[in-house]
Amino acid sequence: DTGVSQDPRHKITKRGQNVTFRCDPISEHNRLYWYRQTLGQGPEFLTYFQNEAQLEKSRLLSDRFSAERPKGSFSTLEIQRTEQGDSAMYLCASSPPLGTLLHNEQFFGPGTRLTVL
Amino acid sequence: AQTVTQSQPEMSVQEAETVTLSCTYDTSESDYYLFWYKQPPSRQMILVIRQEAYKQQNATENRFSVNFQKAAKSFSLKISDSQLGDAAMYFCAYKHPLHYGGATNKLIFGTGTLLAVQP
Repeated sequence: DTGVSQDPRHKITKRGQNVTFRCDPISEHNRLYWYRQTLGQGPEFLTYFQNEAQLEKSRLLSDRFSAERPKGSFSTLEIQRTEQGDSAMYLCASSPPLGTLLHNEQFFGPGTRLTVL
Repeated sequence: AQTVTQSQPEMSVQEAETVTLSCTYDTSESDYYLFWYKQPPSRQMILVIRQEAYKQQNATENRFSVNFQKAAKSFSLKISDSQLGDAAMYFCAYKHPLHYGGATNKLIFGTGTLLAVQP
């Protein structure tokens, strides 16, 4: 499978714990995005990477959230001191480089469903 | 700020019939992209169709077509010959093109329309 992959697919944690999610983009895609989707809503943008540089962050990304893409390949999203309001589906997407045919499209992974008890 | 509105939380269609999902958006820009994404119960988001704002011709992809009305800021999705596999949540989304100065690369989504297909 050469699509975007995310791990884990499901995570249940207790309030106050830290969690980390991983996203592996499509191999030739240098741009990567994180979104959060709560029940009954459309995805909301969290952050964007081009290669290893984090170029855009939403105000939704509080100081408890941190995202990295150290080598410009996979990315991690960490949530510290989780709260019940963090329960959501966390989606990752990737795009090919500027100038390629599909550079304005985003290809989504299956998501990580987080439940905070 | 750009916004996307989907006013139909749920829609239902009979198999083999045609259904139209509505989407309106608000922007002051003249150049942008619009998308329809499908999210089946397994939750993986799949691109259905896209439209570049500078193109007057409506996009089509097999049974899926759009009615893009730029002046009205309307972007509806028509699904012809509906199939059981079309049952899903459909999201309309807006994006600035990459060459836009100070561009944000994010997709701005509506709240979605849940489509049921009746056999």
